[in-house]
Amino acid sequence: NAGVTQTPKFQVLKTGQSMTLQCAQDMNHEYMSWYRQDPGMGLRLIHYSVGAGITDQGEVPNGYNVSRSTTEDFPLRLLSAAPSQTSVYFCASRRQAVYSNQPQHFGDGTRLSIL
Amino acid sequence: AQKITQTQPGMFVQEKEAVTLDCTYDTSDPSYGLFWYKQPSSGEMIFLIYQGSYDQQNATEGRYSLNFQKARKSANLVISASQLGDSAMYFCAMREGEGGGADGLTFGKGTHLIIQP
Repeated sequence: NAGVTQTPKFQVLKTGQSMTLQCAQDMNHEYMSWYRQDPGMGLRLIHYSVGAGITDQGEVPNGYNVSRSTTEDFPLRLLSAAPSQTSVYFCASRRQAVYSNQPQHFGDGTRLSIL
Repeated sequence: AQKITQTQPGMFVQEKEAVTLDCTYDTSDPSYGLFWYKQPSSGEMIFLIYQGSYDQQNATEGRYSLNFQKARKSANLVISASQLGDSAMYFCAMREGEGGGADGLTFGKGTHLIIQP
C-alpha cells in the first residue's frame, strides 16, 4: 500500500550542484505534479504531467526540469541548485476524471537545503 | 489577487469545541473544486474533504463538514467536537476547470490550529 513514494527524504546540496528528486506512484494515476512549500506559505505548483510524455509548467517552474517517461515515475531535476530552492518538495498524483473531484495524493515530502 | 485566502494564521480552541476555519476563493471559472488538507507536525498532507462548484449540498466526512456559500465564494471547514489530534496546519485549495484539463491545486497560506486540553 505504498501510494506516492518520494526519495530522498532529506538532502543537503551546495550551490551549483545538480540533483534529482525521485517520485513514484503505484496507483496507476494519470496525473502527477510537484509542489514546493516554503515557511508561512501554502504549496506552490512547480510542474505537472497529465500522462506519460506530457508535462507542463506550474506557478514556479524556473530552475526545475521534469520528464515523464512512464506512468509511475515523475522525477524533478534541479540543474544548478540555488539557496532560493531550499524548501520542502511534495510530489502528488491523482486519477484523471471528467469532474474536478479527484483529490491529489501526496508523498511524504523531501526536505532540501541548499548551502 | 490571491485565489485562495485564509484569514486566520493561527487559532486556539478548547478540546471538544467546534472549530470553523475560514476560506474564501476567487475564480471566474464556473467549474471548480475546493479541497481541504491537514498537515500535522510530521509533515504529510492528508486529504480531508472536497466540495464541487456544482454540488447542491454541503460536503460532509465524519467530523468534517464544509460550509459552502457559493455567492460569497467561501468554503469554510467545520470540525465538530475537536480533539487534541486535530492540532495541525489546515490548507484550503482549489482546482479550476474540469478534472480532465490542466492539473494542480492553488493553495492558501494555511491556518495553524492548536487544540488545548
